[in-house]
Amino acid sequence: DAGVIQSPRHEVTEMGQEVTLRCKPISGHNSLFWYRQTMMRGLELLIYFNNNVPIDDSGMPEDRFSAKMPNASFSTLKIQPSEPRDSAVYFCASSLSGVHSEAFFGQGTRLTVV
Amino acid sequence: GNSVTQMEGPVTLSEEAFLTINCTYTATGYPSLFWYVQYPGEGLQLLLKATKADDKGSNKGFEATYRKETTSFHLEKGSVQVSDSAVYFCALTNRDDKIIFGKGTRLHILP
Repeated sequence: DAGVIQSPRHEVTEMGQEVTLRCKPISGHNSLFWYRQTMMRGLELLIYFNNNVPIDDSGMPEDRFSAKMPNASFSTLKIQPSEPRDSAVYFCASSLSGVHSEAFFGQGTRLTVV
Repeated sequence: GNSVTQMEGPVTLSEEAFLTINCTYTATGYPSLFWYVQYPGEGLQLLLKATKADDKGSNKGFEATYRKETTSFHLEKGSVQVSDSAVYFCALTNRDDKIIFGKGTRLHILP
């Protein structure tokens, strides 16, 4: 398996524009996580899906952020409108459900909002 | 609720020194415990894990023992190398499958 695939790897956009980040989890995994990483705040869990259903979105910072998982092999994280403070590295991770299962991370998308 | 606390960095050591990065957790029931490592420009990857009390996880010379009595999972390595320079995250999973990470500890190894 190719692992968790995220696109794009880098994104530079202007403030106010819509940004969509994409993630393809590992085939067969039924849990998917979106994280945001910054120097100031570290690694933050934004939202967690299980079997394509959002289970916990308490980490989504505000209504400008939304995430979808239309099927088991694809998820998106959308920011509309984007702001400079959204600049960060966004990671997607997937795992098999179960307390013993580890998460597999993608390479991340580095987002810069100017 | 569930939480993980790990020592703040950065930690700077000379090559071949002994490494300890402390990690303690709060959780109900019987969580699984993990250490992840993040090399520059990459995502996190699993370093080792332990799924029950007194289990020892090990990989690449790193070890950590699941201590339920002290709610700890400290990471150790007897002789670090420059290539071990990275950010290390302690984490746990519990019944709800959510992965809880500590804030990460940046490790610098000097040649």
